[in-house]
Amino acid sequence: DTAVSQTPKYLVTQMGNDKSIKCEQNLGHDTMYWYKQDSKKFLKIMFSYNNKELIINETVPNRFSPKSPDKAHLNLHINSLELGDSAVYFCASSQAITAGGELFFGEGSRLTVL
Amino acid sequence: AQSVTQLDSHVSVSEGTPVLLRCNYSSSYSPSLFWYVQHPNKGLQLLLKYTSAATLVKGINGFEAEFKKSETSFHLTKPSAHMSDAAEYFCVVSDSRGSTLGRLYFGRGTQLTVWP
Repeated sequence: DTAVSQTPKYLVTQMGNDKSIKCEQNLGHDTMYWYKQDSKKFLKIMFSYNNKELIINETVPNRFSPKSPDKAHLNLHINSLELGDSAVYFCASSQAITAGGELFFGEGSRLTVL
Repeated sequence: AQSVTQLDSHVSVSEGTPVLLRCNYSSSYSPSLFWYVQHPNKGLQLLLKYTSAATLVKGINGFEAEFKKSETSFHLTKPSAHMSDAAEYFCVVSDSRGSTLGRLYFGRGTQLTVWP
């Protein structure tokens, strides 16, 4: 059983399109995250939700909109895709929002914008 | 402010020789420190973590790290490298204050290559 699963794993699309990435965790965790990993492997947090409530919202263009229908799901919708959005997007979850909590990562969704 | 610096972007070792991946951190408060590993086309997996208990932390796959406050370091070591250790390794710091909502700060990663 996959603990944190993301779909799709690969996404190739044209500039200007809108796309979504879905994430589900079956660990019973309260907190979920979206991270972006650029071509140099640098990881940066984008959003985190705790019990469906938005907790962390980094400086991310408002073309990116997370949605958490329940605490086991956190989806990421991206409008008007740009070339710079090409990256690997990782979903993660943790038991608690406070420091010391281990993050469990999905395998990533590689987005390529042409 | 919290940050981590991984001193080497690439480390190459021969199978069976020791591994040392260096990490220095900066934190205004008592930090929690982690090492994560990322194998190709996979998500990140926790190797070990330090949260103000023993300063020498043992993790999975024979890795360990030592928290040295005087040197603000948290270097990752393994006595004998295995081919399967080839991966990207990330040092991560988290502010221990509960109010910071678990924000993690990632280093830029160290690519470990293991030669046969």
